[in-house]
Amino acid sequence: EIVMTQSPATLSVSPGERATLSCTASQSVNSNLAWFQQKPGQAPRLLIYGASTRATDIPARFSGSGSGTEFTLTISSLQPEDFAVYYCQQYNKWPPWTFGQGTKVEIK
Amino acid sequence: EVQLVESGGGLVQPGGSLRLSCAASGFTFNHYSMNWVRQAPGKGLEWVSYISSSSYTIYYADSVKGRFTISRDNAKNSLYLQMNSLRAEDTAVYYCARASELERQDYWGQGTLVTVSS
Repeated sequence: EIVMTQSPATLSVSPGERATLSCTASQSVNSNLAWFQQKPGQAPRLLIYGASTRATDIPARFSGSGSGTEFTLTISSLQPEDFAVYYCQQYNKWPPWTFGQGTKVEIK
Repeated sequence: EVQLVESGGGLVQPGGSLRLSCAASGFTFNHYSMNWVRQAPGKGLEWVSYISSSSYTIYYADSVKGRFTISRDNAKNSLYLQMNSLRAEDTAVYYCARASELERQDYWGQGTLVTVSS
């Protein structure tokens, strides 16, 4: 099973600032990495797939990078609606599909 | 518009059973594999089960193997999860999620809460 590790657990950022979230895989997942956003009481929403491709209707301020075992999600200028929990997920080797434990982006 | 609507959650005693449903619309259901993913209260996401478009291929997480059964009815555009021998640790919101290319999950339903407690 591929273990996904996210850091930090919590990120405190002021609106308008840049946020950088990290995700590390226990073995290479190539570029088969997705990022999801989840707000309280809501389902996860796909932001990024293929490590760097934005999903439909996702704003350009969200960008993903990396390949192999190291990945980054960057939010260039945080908007009020971006404060949420973010999960990475690998879909390179399954089953199981595995998620990171999440990074909470909170208002500083 | 892709829509996935789960139902069937509720309160059940340990050892009991429950059947979840997921009604799909807005896409050609029989062309897509489907998944169940759960989230315990205050916790992260855990993949539970997968079924291919034709039901030929099925996978389960080790934590539910032998207790849960996934199925689908393509004529009714519906996905199901039969959950038996439920335990307290099965308490979670259960989401159905569509699988897209490379079997990644793209669209998710709003979830249904299952609470296992006496």
